[in-house]
Amino acid sequence: DAGVIQSPRHEVTEMGQEVTLRCKPISGHNSLFWYRQTMMRGLELLIYFNNNVPIDDSGMPEDRFSAKMPNASFSTLKIQPSEPRDSAVYFCASSPEPIYYGYTFGSGTRLTVV
Amino acid sequence: EDQVTQSPEALRLQEGESSSLNCSYTVSGLRGLFWYRQDPGKGPEFLFTLYSAGEEKEKERLKATLTKKESFLHITAPKPEDSATYLCAVQGGGGKLIFGQGTELSVKP
Repeated sequence: DAGVIQSPRHEVTEMGQEVTLRCKPISGHNSLFWYRQTMMRGLELLIYFNNNVPIDDSGMPEDRFSAKMPNASFSTLKIQPSEPRDSAVYFCASSPEPIYYGYTFGSGTRLTVV
Repeated sequence: EDQVTQSPEALRLQEGESSSLNCSYTVSGLRGLFWYRQDPGKGPEFLFTLYSAGEEKEKERLKATLTKKESFLHITAPKPEDSATYLCAVQGGGGKLIFGQGTELSVKP
């Protein structure tokens, strides 16, 4: 089992550019979560999917952020346009079920917007 | 609103000096309380899940306990390799994990 795979590991972009982060969950896990981690706010849940359907996107900061899960093995988080305050580490996690199980996290994407 | 508060923010120990980390929580309908370990540059790594007050779980030098309002992570005779940030999270009825800010543990030889 390769675990949750995220790409890229690091991304540096200029303000105003579009950024796409990618995630491949563990095979057989039907829940997928996107988190953002900063020193000030810690780990914040942005959105989560169950069986490829968005269940709760209340943590998405604003319309510049969007997430998709076109199939069970792939998800994207897009920021357009990016701003310096979006700089953070973005984690993807997956779980076999949304309740009662801990999540398995990927290694994260460190995003820097200059 | 579900909330998790961890203390202390940072803890420095000498190798072999036992201590405890605290996680206080408020949640509507607790489904589970989770402890994770996070090393620099990596994602959180799952340690334990506790489901009900009075439950305890152990793994090597770590022992997690749970009451109706808080959880403790006890570290017995820590080693330098136990240095990491320890995160506590609660899961309510909605299935989301809500994380605390973490406790950064440093164990010096």
